[in-house]
Amino acid sequence: QQPVQSPQAVILREGEDAVINCSSSKALYSVHWYRQKHGEAPVFLMILLKGGEQKGHEKISASFNEKKQQSSLYLTASQLSYSGTYFCGTERNNDMRFGAGTRLTVKP
Amino acid sequence: DAGVIQSPRHEVTEMGQEVTLRCKPISGHNSLFWYRQTMMRGLELLIYFNNNVPIDDSGMPEDRFSAKMPNASFSTLKIQPSEPRDSAVYFCASRYAQGSIEQFFGPGTRLTVL
Repeated sequence: QQPVQSPQAVILREGEDAVINCSSSKALYSVHWYRQKHGEAPVFLMILLKGGEQKGHEKISASFNEKKQQSSLYLTASQLSYSGTYFCGTERNNDMRFGAGTRLTVKP
Repeated sequence: DAGVIQSPRHEVTEMGQEVTLRCKPISGHNSLFWYRQTMMRGLELLIYFNNNVPIDDSGMPEDRFSAKMPNASFSTLKIQPSEPRDSAVYFCASRYAQGSIEQFFGPGTRLTVL
């Protein structure tokens, strides 16, 4: 079953922050985050494996609440290069299901 | 490493024709995934292989779709006969072993069925 992402789309000004949420109705073993730019393949950002774990990649970080079966991606001080569609993926035994994606647009 | 290689990058065909998409995973990776991406349905997992063996093909939409992995460095996704609703971008991805490790996506094949 597909995880649910929200919001569907976000428009930001450069320097603003954003949060993208991902939730699942099933128990999560891990949450993957990918970013896809228009016309390109998805590119891996990070994986979260433990409940409550937080990871960071430059000014992009994420949290994973295993009990709530939720993950959130935090983008701080957004840059133009952050524009793209963000997907969360939930995995059970190699079966990867992606959310519908959140389209993020950063404007100057 | 060249990354995951897919061919062709673009395919335009007519309804009823057979279509074969090809994928070469990153050397050493032993898990391979086929995805389909459309605006309506997003990124869907079609099938995945571990050590060249198909593990789960429950995502394959119909019997018209079939996938093979004859060896560790090559996989095909075949659609026969193709239909307009099969039009999509098909991605292949690979990674090391099982477990929660990142997948590396190929550039995709954009399929248009007229």
